[in-house]
Amino acid sequence: NAGVMQNPRHLVRRRGQEARLRCSPVKGHSHVYWYRQLPEEGLKFMVYLQKENIIDESGMPKERFSAEFPKEGPSILRIQQVVRGDSAAYFCASSPYTGTQLLGNEQFFGPGTRLTVL
Amino acid sequence: AQKVTQAQTEISVVEKEDVTLDCVYETRDTTYYLFWYKQPPSGELVFLIRRNSFDEQNEISGRYSWNFQKSTSSFNFTITASQVVDSAVYFCALSETPGNTGKLIFGQGTTLQVKP
Repeated sequence: NAGVMQNPRHLVRRRGQEARLRCSPVKGHSHVYWYRQLPEEGLKFMVYLQKENIIDESGMPKERFSAEFPKEGPSILRIQQVVRGDSAAYFCASSPYTGTQLLGNEQFFGPGTRLTVL
Repeated sequence: AQKVTQAQTEISVVEKEDVTLDCVYETRDTTYYLFWYKQPPSGELVFLIRRNSFDEQNEISGRYSWNFQKSTSSFNFTITASQVVDSAVYFCALSETPGNTGKLIFGQGTTLQVKP
């Protein structure tokens, strides 16, 4: 009964490179959330996706960041031309669809990807 | 605006002491959910509890208990007889109706250190 899987667990990039973070939700979960945890801070919502759709990207920086959740395969958070300020832990969470509203659904978190930008 | 405040940045106790972690939230909505998550040194997030806005009953689970008071917009978490393994960062979070996306708004977290 696999939980949310994220890879890589640690990622080191130099300024200007691209970072690709992968998230495989719990089997059967069709809702994925991405959160960012900057050093010494709490988690901040970035984006909420369903299969093939971005539902809410109100927390995504306007430039360089994108996310997708294709029909097949994991959800991907892509950061282009990384800068030192992107260094953070990026957490993915998934939630089941229960046929009712998502409010109050438990979110199952992955172990996170720790991105370090040199 | 929706907001979660955990005023205690760090708490240090000695093993077997009781400790309460405070959480105060702000929301304009009448329907919402509150959560507590634990983040141990290994970094993953562990779900502890979920409470909806219509259920103000306190809850106890082993050494953990939660006190939800709508009148003061607080959802405090108490660990009784703390243990070294309780050392972690604890996050309070809010999920509310607008947009119905289920996204969570987290507090800044409280770092709890339990010394032997």
